[in-house]
Amino acid sequence: AQRVTQPEKLLSVFKGAPVELKCNYSYSGSPELFWYVQYSRQRLQLLLRHISRESIKGFTADLNKGETSFHLKKPFAQEEDSAMYYCALRSQTDKLIFGTGTRLQVFP
Amino acid sequence: GAVVSQHPSWVICKSGTSVKIECRSLDFQATTMFWYRQFPKQSLMLMATSNEGSKATYEQGVEKDKFLINHASLTLSTLTVTSAHPEDSSFYICSVIAGGNQPQHFGDGTRLSIL
Repeated sequence: AQRVTQPEKLLSVFKGAPVELKCNYSYSGSPELFWYVQYSRQRLQLLLRHISRESIKGFTADLNKGETSFHLKKPFAQEEDSAMYYCALRSQTDKLIFGTGTRLQVFP
Repeated sequence: GAVVSQHPSWVICKSGTSVKIECRSLDFQATTMFWYRQFPKQSLMLMATSNEGSKATYEQGVEKDKFLINHASLTLSTLTVTSAHPEDSSFYICSVIAGGNQPQHFGDGTRLSIL
C-alpha cells in the first residue's frame, strides 16, 4: 500500500533551535518524494523534492530508502518558518499522496 | 509568480445549489490537473485526476455524478459540485503539472460553504 506518515501533528521550537519534521513512506517501487509548505492564508508551495538534493530556505531532506524516510531538517529555525508542512509521495501515475501534515511553530 | 489560478476563492450558497469551480493553468498547457479536498486541520485528499479531452479518473469513494469534472481545454478544468449539501462544505484545491518530470503546482483553493 502507498502511504505517507507524518507522526507529529505539531512541533514547537524556539527560534534558533534545530528542527526535524519526520516523514516515513510505504511504496513498492522507486519513490519520488516532496515536501510542501503552506504558510498562513497562502497556497501550498513546493519546498523540496528529493531528486533535486538542494537546500531551500535552509531546509534539507535526505531520502533514506533503508528506513523509508524523508525527514525535513533545518539547523536553526526562524519565526518565519512557522507553517504547515506536508510530505508527499508521487506515484507512477503522477498522483500525489500526502501525509497528514505537521504544524511547525517557532517561538521568538 | 502563480502558475495556477483558481476561482472563486470563496463561495457561500444554499443547500441544493450547484457550484462550479475553475482551475486555470497560466503560461503553460496542462494535460493533467488534479482536484483535492481538504477538511479543516486535515490533509489533502485526492478526489480525481482531470485529463484534457477525456473523462476524469475518480478516486475510490468519490461520487462522479456529484463532483462533475470537465477538462475541455489545455488550460482549464472545472469542478462542479452538484446539488451541494452542508456535508460538501470543504476546501477544494486544484493542482497542475507543468509537464515532463515537473512537480505539481497548486491553486489558492476554493472555500465552499453550504448553508
